[in-house]
Amino acid sequence: GAGVSQSPSNKVTEKGKDVELRCDPISGHTALYWYRQSLGQGLEFLIYFQGNSAPDKSGLPSDRFSAERTGGSVSTLTIQRTQQEDSAVYLCASSPNRDEQYFGPGTRLTVT
Amino acid sequence: GNSVTQMEGPVTLSEEAFLTINCTYTATGYPSLFWYVQYPGEGLQLLLKATKADDKGSNKGFEATYRKETTSFHLEKGSVQVSDSAVYFCALQPFTGGGNKLTFGTGTQLKVEL
Repeated sequence: GAGVSQSPSNKVTEKGKDVELRCDPISGHTALYWYRQSLGQGLEFLIYFQGNSAPDKSGLPSDRFSAERTGGSVSTLTIQRTQQEDSAVYLCASSPNRDEQYFGPGTRLTVT
Repeated sequence: GNSVTQMEGPVTLSEEAFLTINCTYTATGYPSLFWYVQYPGEGLQLLLKATKADDKGSNKGFEATYRKETTSFHLEKGSVQVSDSAVYFCALQPFTGGGNKLTFGTGTQLKVEL
């Protein structure tokens, strides 16, 4: 079946612009996660959704970062007023249960 | 807080050599433990998992045993292949509290040469 998909696969943006990253989870997966992978920080948790609510937002690095999930499916991660330190690969994962998370291919964000 | 420590890479081995990648963790209670693999140009894939002490996870010839007494989850393979070249990440998921988020180690790059 279809896996987790993310779009765009690559995004280059100028410092100060807003960007939206999209995640389509595996159908039926109620849990959805966003992580960030960067050279300096490794793999970091950003936010977790159960259904449409976000019980854990503890990893969002600043108030420029926000995310929503609608219909218990698609999620969008928005970064406002991007900075160069936001450059990273943003990974989305979905899960049918507690143990296994299935990752998408990621969106590579470059802020120039 | 929770943390995972992995051995630094890169690890370079000849084909058919024995592989060990060390992983130790710090967590309260009884977390679930995972190894994820990232092949060049691809996304993270779950390689194996163990959810309680003394469990052994295995897949594709790789094994790891959950050792509560040493807080370790070392990854092993008896005979590596060139196709195993990838970055390997150890991760934990807390049993209670902290939500279901994964805490990852820094990753260990494995290069297997002919």
